[in-house]
Amino acid sequence: KNEVEQSPQNLTAQEGEFITINCSYSVGISALHWLQQHPGGGIVSLFMLSSGKKKHGRLIATINIQEKHSSLHITASHPRDSAVYICAVGGATNKLIFGTGTLLAVQP
Amino acid sequence: DAGVTQSPTHLIKTRGQQVTLRCSPKSGHDTVSWYQQALGQGPQFIFQYYEEEERQRGNFPDRFSGHQFPNYSSELNVNALLLGDSALYLCASSPGLEMTQYFGPGTRLLVL
Repeated sequence: KNEVEQSPQNLTAQEGEFITINCSYSVGISALHWLQQHPGGGIVSLFMLSSGKKKHGRLIATINIQEKHSSLHITASHPRDSAVYICAVGGATNKLIFGTGTLLAVQP
Repeated sequence: DAGVTQSPTHLIKTRGQQVTLRCSPKSGHDTVSWYQQALGQGPQFIFQYYEEEERQRGNFPDRFSGHQFPNYSSELNVNALLLGDSALYLCASSPGLEMTQYFGPGTRLLVL
């Protein structure tokens, strides 16, 4: 079993829909990251969370430390949101353990 | 600020060859981590450099080695390349023990 599990693996949505991607982890962490990766490889850090909730534009990330679970929400989804979304967790040593990613396709 | 830069962007090698990948961290960052991302998989931690020393290492063979220079830039070397080494190699930098890591665009390596 992977230390970081994401669901779903693939997600297709219509433009404007509310999207949720889930991440569960089994190790102790100092922080959880949500990352976005577009075709071609470049990774962009969206959020780093250690507790509670963060919001940036149409993106919202929440984490429940007791449940070892985090969610990434996208409101009013748009085709430009199409990408792979990756959850990664980090301990005190700053080494990141990644999930396998969620491939999101938002159709117009 | 140029952010994290990596070179080359793409590389094709044959089995048995050696390769060197380079990373320049974001300005002010002294910690560099390297990750390997195979097609369709999440990145896997290779190793991390801080103050010119390998601080921690993932589950990769000794064929994978690295170096950090006084200006904090870093190299990843892979010897005796195998077909399975074909992947996207990502470099990330952070300011010391700060958790926020900034990723470079990656180097895509193809081993034939």
